[in-house]
Amino acid sequence: SQTIHQWPATLVQPVGSPLSLECTVEGTSNPNLYWYRQAAGRGLQLLFYSVGIGQISSEVPQNLSASRPQDRQFILSSKKLLLSDSGFYLCAWRGGTSYNEQFFGPGTRLTVL
Amino acid sequence: KQEVTQIPAALSVPEGENLVLNCSFTDSAIYNLQWFRQDPGKGLTSLLLIQSSQREQTSGRLNASLDKSSGRSTLYIAASQPGDSATYLCAVLRGSARQLTFGSGTQLTVLP
Repeated sequence: SQTIHQWPATLVQPVGSPLSLECTVEGTSNPNLYWYRQAAGRGLQLLFYSVGIGQISSEVPQNLSASRPQDRQFILSSKKLLLSDSGFYLCAWRGGTSYNEQFFGPGTRLTVL
Repeated sequence: KQEVTQIPAALSVPEGENLVLNCSFTDSAIYNLQWFRQDPGKGLTSLLLIQSSQREQTSGRLNASLDKSSGRSTLYIAASQPGDSATYLCAVLRGSARQLTFGSGTQLTVLP
């Protein structure tokens, strides 16, 4: 069966510090991978998606970047965090036998102080 | 641009009631619609997925319908229980990479 992992689960960082959030998927190959953000009082917003290694598409301009160094690894980064980067970050995957269904990881709660 | 709206934003019902959550979307060119449940501080759990060619899907006490032409979906929960308390999100699948566009959710509280 497929599983998706995210870490860390919780992170508190000062403004201006770097960020690296990691997402890995097990039990499937060549998945589509997605990063979403859920900010306080706002809905879930798609940030990045990837259809393959090294292929990244951005939905909205922002202070963040994404990379996919391996087939089942998706990384969200920032060189300098802003207060507005605080939120709940969710990674998701799609593919395999459940082609049109997306499955979500447990999320990372990021607080920028 | 696809927009997804969920009504009501919050709902409180006594245990045992049947209830309906509503979702509407502006662009009918979707691949499917997915209903999720989110518990506080947790990730999303997929409840039901309706393909664009389908009219409804059922899982246990949950039934979701889709009227693509009118841009509407409903999630029906029968015989609600306190354990059903959560935020329910609907999302439509669009685009070549099958991205999801989410509604803002309905926060459901089932009172014992």
